[in-house]
Amino acid sequence: ETGVTQTPRHLVMGMTNKKSLKCEQHLGHNAMYWYKQSAKKPLELMFVYNFKEQTENNSVPSRFSPECPNSSHLFLHLHTLQPEDSALYLCASSQDGAEKAFFGQGTRLTVV
Amino acid sequence: DAKTTQPPSMDCAEGRAANLPCNHSTISGNEYVYWYRQIHSQGPQYIIHGLKNNETNEMASLIITEDRKSSTLILPHATLRDTAVYYCIAYYSYNAGNMLTFGGGTRLMVKP
Repeated sequence: ETGVTQTPRHLVMGMTNKKSLKCEQHLGHNAMYWYKQSAKKPLELMFVYNFKEQTENNSVPSRFSPECPNSSHLFLHLHTLQPEDSALYLCASSQDGAEKAFFGQGTRLTVV
Repeated sequence: DAKTTQPPSMDCAEGRAANLPCNHSTISGNEYVYWYRQIHSQGPQYIIHGLKNNETNEMASLIITEDRKSSTLILPHATLRDTAVYYCIAYYSYNAGNMLTFGGGTRLMVKP
C-alpha cells in the first residue's frame, strides 16, 4: 500500500465509450501525475499537476482530458479512444519535487 | 536530466547479492541518482537515492563512484520477490512537478 489509490484496476471500453480513471492520495502531497505504460515501452509522462494547476502536458491527444479538483484527487477522462491507447495508466504523487514519488497500482485499460 | 545506461537484463541466484550497474557519464553536479523498481504490472516503487556518498537503507545500498559517472545498486540478499525491472534515473528536483523520466531499466530475474 503506497498511499496512492487508483480505480478501477481494470477497464475494458469500446472506442465510442466515455470513461474516467480516478486517483486519490492522502499523503498530503502537492503534485500529482499521470503516466502511460504501453507494452514493452518505458513509462511516458502524460500530465503534471502542481498545486492543482496543470504544469505539463506532454503532447497528449485531446481524447485524454485530465482534471484535478483538489490536491488529493486526480482524474483522467477518456473518450473516443483507439485500440493503441490500451496500456497501464499510472498515477503518482510527490511533495516538493519527485524525491520518493509514490505510485498507485495502475489501471489496466483495454480499448476494443 | 542526464541520460543513464543500464544493461537490459540480469540474473541473480536467490540469497546472493544482486549488483545492478548504471552509467551516467553526463550527470551534472546537482543531479541525484535515483533507483526505482517495478514489479510486474504494478506501479514503480522508490528504493534509494544519493548525490555523492554511498547510501544504505532497509531495501538496498547505493554505491556511487567518486567521479559520479556510474553507480551500483546492491540488493544484499536477493529473494524471488526482488524480480522486477530496476530503473536508474539521474534527476534534479527544482520544484514539485519536475517529474522523473524513466528509461528501459534492467530486468532482474532472481532464480531459485
